[in-house]
Amino acid sequence: QVQLQESGPGLVKPSETLSLTCSVFGSSMNTYYWHWIRQPPGKGLEWIGYIHYSGITDSNPSLKSRVTISLDTSTNQFSLKLTSVTAADTAVYFCARDSSLQFWGQGTLVTVSS
Amino acid sequence: DIQMTQSPSSLSASVGDRVIITCRASRGISNYLAWFQQEPGKAPKPLIYSASSLQSGVPSKFSGSGSGTDFTLTINSLQPEDFATYYCQQYDSYPYTFGQGTKLEIK
Repeated sequence: QVQLQESGPGLVKPSETLSLTCSVFGSSMNTYYWHWIRQPPGKGLEWIGYIHYSGITDSNPSLKSRVTISLDTSTNQFSLKLTSVTAADTAVYFCARDSSLQFWGQGTLVTVSS
Repeated sequence: DIQMTQSPSSLSASVGDRVIITCRASRGISNYLAWFQQEPGKAPKPLIYSASSLQSGVPSKFSGSGSGTDFTLTINSLQPEDFATYYCQQYDSYPYTFGQGTKLEIK
């Protein structure tokens, strides 16, 4: 059974870096695409970016200059770093697997506030 | 970016009804279209992939159709647990994009 679980600080100060990790259970990281998606409170879903097990990554042009996604197959985890955060980055952050986003984590709320 | 437009944005229906939600892409995406159901405070639940294929464990009351730019999600025989927000999403090209959501409410 494939399970994903996000973890990281729930509160980040403005201008600092948001760092999240997605732990993957029940699945090898090989072959698949691994994604980050976010949802501001009361709003819709926004795709942040992906990493392929080969190391290829891409991200939303609206965030590209601030986003880094990395993968560690030895620990079955992948990570998101979002720099220079503002209140607009307050959201529930989800990780997901596959091109069709077949498997999702439960999400973690990150609040940007001083 | 490919824009995904859902209609309606909200919908009131009764238990037992059948509803149809539409999703239009700003350019052709073949059948690279997924549908999700989201309850408040929960992660989106995948329902449909490749426009019309049911995800494992999803009841057959849900069905999807379409190709190119126009897609539909049909839900038959609504039950209380079906009242939620539904999103379409294209995975034809990056950046992936979602529709704005359709909130299905009990009449």
